[in-house]
Amino acid sequence: GESVGLHLPTLSVQEGDNSIINCAYSNSASDYFIWYKQESGKGPQFIIDIRSNMDKRQGQRVTVLLNKTVKHLSLQIAATQPGDSAVYFCAENIQGYQKVTFGIGTKLQVIP
Amino acid sequence: GAGVSQSPRYKVAKRGQDVALRCDPISGHVSLFWYQQALGQGPEFLTYFQNEAQLDKSGLPSDRFFAERPEGSVSTLKIQRTQQEDSAVYLCASSLERTGYNEQFFGPGTRLTVL
Repeated sequence: GESVGLHLPTLSVQEGDNSIINCAYSNSASDYFIWYKQESGKGPQFIIDIRSNMDKRQGQRVTVLLNKTVKHLSLQIAATQPGDSAVYFCAENIQGYQKVTFGIGTKLQVIP
Repeated sequence: GAGVSQSPRYKVAKRGQDVALRCDPISGHVSLFWYQQALGQGPEFLTYFQNEAQLDKSGLPSDRFFAERPEGSVSTLKIQRTQQEDSAVYLCASSLERTGYNEQFFGPGTRLTVL
């Protein structure tokens, strides 16, 4: 099948370890951020979101951290599993607007 | 229930041909989006519909690109006189509400290859 991660930065982690994927966003007016997971041959899938009035949000095995000062976002995946292998994109949005701007993705490879 | 579906999944066109890509959003979803994803890149916004109204088409790269959603459900993205640089995956997404940001549900995309 096609690969969406052909030229993307790659992060390789051992199964069971924690993964940290970083993202720098561009628009200081953005106040809503989303992480998406994209598997080969599929569309992006929502993982977790965070609003700009928060600096941390936790989901199931995932945590998103937001640092507005340096316009940085990170996604932490606990106990990484082979099924987590995919390309991960951060995306930014301005409240009240529907348009979402995607960042450069990171390919996560989980080594069994 | 069914998710967003797109057809065809793969399309090969000769340079200069016209193509039409179809998106069936989730039933009842008000908002519909088209994105273009080049190989190794993130999706880039093309256009947005709220029901049948095209509210934002700022991302369409040229006047060769045209999108419609005449009855507020199914949408078609048409590319006229295709060029090699149009080769990409075209993603459609829909969301339930019209106000603010709501989770967008993506289809699997149509991979367009222009020879």
